[in-house]
Amino acid sequence: GAVVSQHPSRVICKSGTSVKIECRSLDFQATTMFWYRQFPKQSLMLMATSNEGSKATYEQGVEKDKFLINHASLTLSTLTVTSAHPEDSSFYICSVLLLAGGRNEQFFGPGTRLTVL
Amino acid sequence: AQSVTQLDSHVSVSEGTPVLLRCNYSSSYSPSLFWYVQHPNKGLQLLLKYTSAATLVKGINGFEAEFKKSETSFHLTKPSAHMSDAAEYFCVVSYYNTDKLIFGTGTRLQVFP
Repeated sequence: GAVVSQHPSRVICKSGTSVKIECRSLDFQATTMFWYRQFPKQSLMLMATSNEGSKATYEQGVEKDKFLINHASLTLSTLTVTSAHPEDSSFYICSVLLLAGGRNEQFFGPGTRLTVL
Repeated sequence: AQSVTQLDSHVSVSEGTPVLLRCNYSSSYSPSLFWYVQHPNKGLQLLLKYTSAATLVKGINGFEAEFKKSETSFHLTKPSAHMSDAAEYFCVVSYYNTDKLIFGTGTRLQVFP
């Protein structure tokens, strides 16, 4: 498998500020990473696909200017929530895609809980 | 379009009794289906996956699931629940057999001593 970390695990910020969340693949190089958000007692919703060295692909309804994704290296993708508002409060989860000859598998980070006051 | 429906938001069982977590899928073609488990403060972990090989799929920790095309179901079972099985379980389908995943709403499993 793959080990994925996220930092920070929790963050509280004031409305209008920006918050950066890091997702690291600790033991292999990941060309593709995914970002999800999970509201309380709800399912995970895919926000975007992060591709190393190219622009992220956002899902319908996700504002790319609000949720900035940078996948600058094969082990790090960052999600920046710009001008955060209380409705952005959520659990953000990343995953890395391990390519295995048609048996690709996603490995998930432990998540980051964002609270916007 | 692909989707999964988890029929129970909560399931409670006693330790040592069987577990059944229900999932129905909707897909216009033969899907890839997964079950993931989410423990508090831990990342989602893959329990098992179905990719059009054997219809009965065995996973980790004694879990298994059976793909039933006629019923469009992929229910997760375990013969004997353990306290450590208490967690949130997600049934997942891949989006048109890409690497994108579509999650169900989850089932919280409680295990009582």
